[in-house]
Amino acid sequence: NAGVTQTPKFRVLKTGQSMTLLCAQDMNHEYMYWYRQDPGMGLRLIHYSVGEGTTAKGEVPDGYNVSRLKKQNFLLGLESAAPSQTSVYFCASSRGGNEQFFGPGTRLTVL
Amino acid sequence: QQPVQSPQAVILREGEDAVINCSSSKALYSVHWYRQKHGEAPVFLMILLKGGEQKGHEKISASFNEKKQQSSLYLTASQLSYSGTYFCGTESPGANNLFFGTGTRLTVIP
Repeated sequence: NAGVTQTPKFRVLKTGQSMTLLCAQDMNHEYMYWYRQDPGMGLRLIHYSVGEGTTAKGEVPDGYNVSRLKKQNFLLGLESAAPSQTSVYFCASSRGGNEQFFGPGTRLTVL
Repeated sequence: QQPVQSPQAVILREGEDAVINCSSSKALYSVHWYRQKHGEAPVFLMILLKGGEQKGHEKISASFNEKKQQSSLYLTASQLSYSGTYFCGTESPGANNLFFGTGTRLTVIP
């Protein structure tokens, strides 16, 4: 089992560019989450999904979109990247309210 | 809705004990605890679901006071491997997500 994987691991964007981060899990989990982690801010929830075809906003959803077309995949999109979106992005999955399994993270820099 | 953790940072010598606190302004259904080592992903430690119930993980245990909306993580006889940043995540009744605190950086020195 690979657990939770994230693609890419690192990315540098210019302001205004777009990109998609891919999260995949092989544990058949219903719930998936996207967080961003900034120094001193902890983990902040961007969007989450409670099942295939569903998405919901978290604490800091502005500037991001998500899709969950397949149960095992959760995509995070940045339509027009801004320097304020420079962060480390973590994806996680879980079975309902149980422990969350985190991916290794994506380090994104927006210039 | 972000819970408040204290202290922000603590330095221990091997073998010493520490307590990390997590406090929420909202009613809680559960509290999760995670540890993150530098440059790595957070790793689950435990969930507390019932008021006053303690669940342990090796020499790490925790408590959850539903009435006070607080949880505490107890690290006894600390080891070098305990170093990292500890996060609490709180779940409110009916919610499908966690709110994480800003973390407590724990450093254990020989």
